[in-house]
Amino acid sequence: ETGVTQSPTHLIKTRGQQVTLRCSSQSGHNTVSWYQQALGQGPQFIFQYYREEENGRGNFPPRFSGLQFPNYSSELNVNALELDDSALYLCASSLAGDPGELFFGEGSRLTVL
Amino acid sequence: AQSVTQLGSHVSVSEGALVLLRCNYSSSVPPYLFWYVQYPNQGLQLLLKYTSAATLVKGINGFEAEFKKSETSFHLTKPSAHMSDAAEYFCAFSGGYNKLIFGAGTRLAVHP
Repeated sequence: ETGVTQSPTHLIKTRGQQVTLRCSSQSGHNTVSWYQQALGQGPQFIFQYYREEENGRGNFPPRFSGLQFPNYSSELNVNALELDDSALYLCASSLAGDPGELFFGEGSRLTVL
Repeated sequence: AQSVTQLGSHVSVSEGALVLLRCNYSSSVPPYLFWYVQYPNQGLQLLLKYTSAATLVKGINGFEAEFKKSETSFHLTKPSAHMSDAAEYFCAFSGGYNKLIFGAGTRLAVHP
């Protein structure tokens, strides 16, 4: 069974740039969620994708966007990066209907200078 | 509004001592509750979950948690701490659509 994999593991960007983070979901999982974890805080829900469509969104501006592909992998895109976007971005996969058991990747650590 | 509160951002115990990490929730609907652990520079791993079956839930690595509706609590315990238990622990509430609402976390330190 292949777990959730994310890339890149670390990256550094400057303010105003754009970034794309990638996630491969666990085998058999059809739902992907993205979370932002700022330093010293708990993860915050960004959005979720199911059947290639956004299926719930947290309190994040539209410059945070995503995609899910037919193979259930996913991308998180952030435009016009701000310093406060510096965080660990976690991808989690799950089965639709399973009450909240998420399987997390190790995350992509983004630093915005 | 649904929320999760973890009492104590840092907990320190001696090896072999009882571990108690506190979590309280606020919800207008029956909750699904979870404890996740995060080791340094890693993602989150599920320790255990409550989904309205037994109120005492056993998880991995000897951890367990008890759901107490009257106290709106879901505290995590382990009878005897091990050095390898040192990590960040997050209590989480399922807010629908498989969306999790996390607490701020409790960092557990275990000293010899």
